[in-house]
Amino acid sequence: QVQLVQSGAEVKKPGASVKVSCKASGYTFTSYGISWVRQAPGQGLEWMGWISAYNGNTNYAQKLQGRVTMTTDTSTSTAYMELRSLRSDDTAVYYCARVVVGATTAFDYWGQGTLVTVSS
Amino acid sequence: SYVLTQPPSVSVAPGKTARITCGGNNIGSKSVHWYQQKPGQAPVLVIYYDSDRPSGIPERFSGSNSGNTATLTISRVEAGDEADYYCQVWDSSSDHAVFGGGTKLTVL
Repeated sequence: QVQLVQSGAEVKKPGASVKVSCKASGYTFTSYGISWVRQAPGQGLEWMGWISAYNGNTNYAQKLQGRVTMTTDTSTSTAYMELRSLRSDDTAVYYCARVVVGATTAFDYWGQGTLVTVSS
Repeated sequence: SYVLTQPPSVSVAPGKTARITCGGNNIGSKSVHWYQQKPGQAPVLVIYYDSDRPSGIPERFSGSNSGNTATLTISRVEAGDEADYYCQVWDSSSDHAVFGGGTKLTVL
């Protein structure tokens, strides 16, 4: 069965960086992409971007351009999301989700989420 | 950028029908996906491509999309349906995903 398992909770200081991992299993990793979606406390879902696990192409949300980098390691079927220059409003649960890149498909499988807390 | 508008809350009595709307400019020309999120849990896909149900999702969940409004309909609502519901589309001009603001469904 398809599973996306994310790394554990993180606490970071403002200005620091965080790197969250998402290990996929149960499907051919390179046939799909991974999107990252975050959710601030008590708020809605915010799409952050996607990465193709096939060729590494990326597409980031405008507001995160320059601060976010998404990568994959096909040898371990793992996707990563790094966010730099963290601010307090980056405090959120970060989710990875499987997607077909370049198509209007849904996010059919989601990771369990990773809480990132940014606090001095 | 493309904007999706959902009502913040919808309330319904058990056994009745809940309808959650998602408004967007000519949304009928786009594919709409719906997610259910219960407190402390990851979102779960309940409707994709306007009206298709993933395996394991009850037939009580259905969707439609036309004009400027997409609708998620939950028939014979149960207490376990209480959750936040989000609609989502892809903005074809940027290939960015867009989520609605979410609707909290309360079962009275």
